[in-house]
Amino acid sequence: AQRVTQPEKLLSVFKGAPVELKCNYSYSGSPELFWYVQYSRQRLQLLLRHISRESIKGFTADLNKGETSFHLKKPFAQEEDSAMYYCALSPYNTDKLIFGTGTRLQVFP
Amino acid sequence: KAGVTQTPRYLIKTRGQQVTLSCSPISGHRSVSWYQQTPGQGLQFLFEYFSETQRNKGNFPGRFSGRQFSNSRSEMNVSTLELGDSALYLCASSLVQIDEQFFGPGTRLTVL
Repeated sequence: AQRVTQPEKLLSVFKGAPVELKCNYSYSGSPELFWYVQYSRQRLQLLLRHISRESIKGFTADLNKGETSFHLKKPFAQEEDSAMYYCALSPYNTDKLIFGTGTRLQVFP
Repeated sequence: KAGVTQTPRYLIKTRGQQVTLSCSPISGHRSVSWYQQTPGQGLQFLFEYFSETQRNKGNFPGRFSGRQFSNSRSEMNVSTLELGDSALYLCASSLVQIDEQFFGPGTRLTVL
């Protein structure tokens, strides 16, 4: 079965603290993995994808095929990082996105 | 460059009616996908179109259908509406397949 699991509905941290949003996936094959973010009253937008191996807004995510995980990390959270974060999987050669249930990140001052 | 637009933004219908939602992708984008977002089920994939061809379909009943036109604009139709169809319907477009998808603001459908 193709599935994405985000175990935390809500993650609250203070500004400057490290952040790790967990994502585990189930897929028999080589998926493409993404993190999408939705800021308050804004559209869902791509934050990063595993094949680009970029750091966006200080966030990184490493694909661990052994643990089937794609956790999102940032060493020092900022208040503007407060948003809803969705991990998503795209099966090979499709645009179909299978989303996790999302994690709301709250960064307190 | 204008983003993905969806019309209408809000819609109220009653059970048994049918509804058509429209999506205009970013100019030049040929791939359009649709998603349903509800508090209970989250974001669920509905359809994927590329060059007027449906490439993938999600696990939704046949009441949900869609199409894509030669200008890449897409519509989705839901017939015989049920209360459970109340949701935010999101459209996303990408330049080609397996590219970054850009999401529209969504159409909020309420079924009474």
